[in-house]
Amino acid sequence: KQEVTQIPAALSVPEGENLVLNCSFTDSAIYNLQWFRQDPGKGLTSLLLIQSSQREQTSGRLNASLDKSSGRSTLYIAASQPGDSATYLCAVEASGGYNKLIFGAGTRLAVHP
Amino acid sequence: DTGVSQNPRHKITKRGQNVTFRCDPISEHNRLYWYRQTLGQGPEFLTYFQNEAQLEKSRLLSDRFSAERPKGSFSTLEIQRTEQGDSAMYLCASTPEGAYNEQFFGPGTRLTVL
Repeated sequence: KQEVTQIPAALSVPEGENLVLNCSFTDSAIYNLQWFRQDPGKGLTSLLLIQSSQREQTSGRLNASLDKSSGRSTLYIAASQPGDSATYLCAVEASGGYNKLIFGAGTRLAVHP
Repeated sequence: DTGVSQNPRHKITKRGQNVTFRCDPISEHNRLYWYRQTLGQGPEFLTYFQNEAQLEKSRLLSDRFSAERPKGSFSTLEIQRTEQGDSAMYLCASTPEGAYNEQFFGPGTRLTVL
């Protein structure tokens, strides 16, 4: 059974710091790994999708890497801003399962001025 | 707005009542998913539709839950005889046919059962 773990559960940093959020999964048979952002009480916003054959994806100040063999992904946020404060969720799309997503519990990020 | 929409955004009900939520996916997306999210947790898969066919249901979806997607367009999720444990955010997502596609999520319906 696929399980996804995110570390740390919460993070509080001053503005301007570079951050690394970690995600690990137990079964390497995945199609994609997707990172999402969720603001309090809101839905999910897709940030980056990494296909199983890819090693990383970049969008603006965000960079996500994938190491399938070790079951790990990292989300790197450069020069953090207060507007980055949110919960960041990692999800894997399991192969052979109608592409449903299996989520970690998230990392709650607070960036203070 | 061409994103996924969900209605209502908030629903407060008394225990034992029935509730129904609606999801309108992105128009060209034939795959539709329902997830449930409780406080402090990531979303958990409930059920999946490909066009109008419901192809997978989670064990989380008890007999009190039913979902439909008539004509492969919008979808509804009904909960009968609600219980306090049903209080959660119910999220809908859609994606086009094929692998390696992003899932796009709606804003969710927040259910509170008193």
